[in-house]
Amino acid sequence: EPEVTQTPSHQVTQMGQEVILRCVPISNHLYFYWYRQILGQKVEFLVSFYNNEISEKSEIFDDQFSVERPDGSNFTLKIRSTKLEDSAMYFCASSAPRRSSYNEQFFGPGTRLTVL
Amino acid sequence: AQSVTQPDIHITVSEGASLELRCNYSYGATPYLFWYVQSPGQGLQLLLKYFSGDTLVQGIKGFEAEFKRSQSSFNLRKPSVHWSDAAEYFCAVGSGDSWGKLQFGAGTQVVVTP
Repeated sequence: EPEVTQTPSHQVTQMGQEVILRCVPISNHLYFYWYRQILGQKVEFLVSFYNNEISEKSEIFDDQFSVERPDGSNFTLKIRSTKLEDSAMYFCASSAPRRSSYNEQFFGPGTRLTVL
Repeated sequence: AQSVTQPDIHITVSEGASLELRCNYSYGATPYLFWYVQSPGQGLQLLLKYFSGDTLVQGIKGFEAEFKRSQSSFNLRKPSVHWSDAAEYFCAVGSGDSWGKLQFGAGTQVVVTP
């Protein structure tokens, strides 16, 4: 069964460093998402992406964040200058368009980002 | 604005007993509703979803949920829990666009005792 994959599973970085989190969505999916979950808190939407542009972003997704689909398979989240409060589990999700129905989102296993 | 409330932060249940997790939503139109489960250190797995039609939906692992419009609720149930059901459970609502973002509740941690 096709699944969303994410690398790395755990990333440790120093405050102020740039990090890139990588995701490979399910191959025929067209909509891509990033969510994050700070330890002990709810899962929060960051950004959605379709047709090579951002569809929607939350207030969390400020200028330090960017997303890109550099090729036909990867979907990346870049944090330009990490802060301590960026420490969280980051989930990638993807969905395929369906007629007259909701596009179910399939989640990857997550990347745990630790900022020291 | 849409919102999701899971009133119970933590539930302890004995193995073999029934389980019900509460979820209330606030949304202007008919919502798209989901329950996800997250085991320790794992990602989010979809248990079941409601889009329209029959208000009682069946999911994986023996779970079911009932959509009650009058109560703005989408409670998750399982008749007999197994030790492997110990996990965190998240209710989520989708926005009006079919491809839109999901908004998650705060989660309910389920502990299963022998």
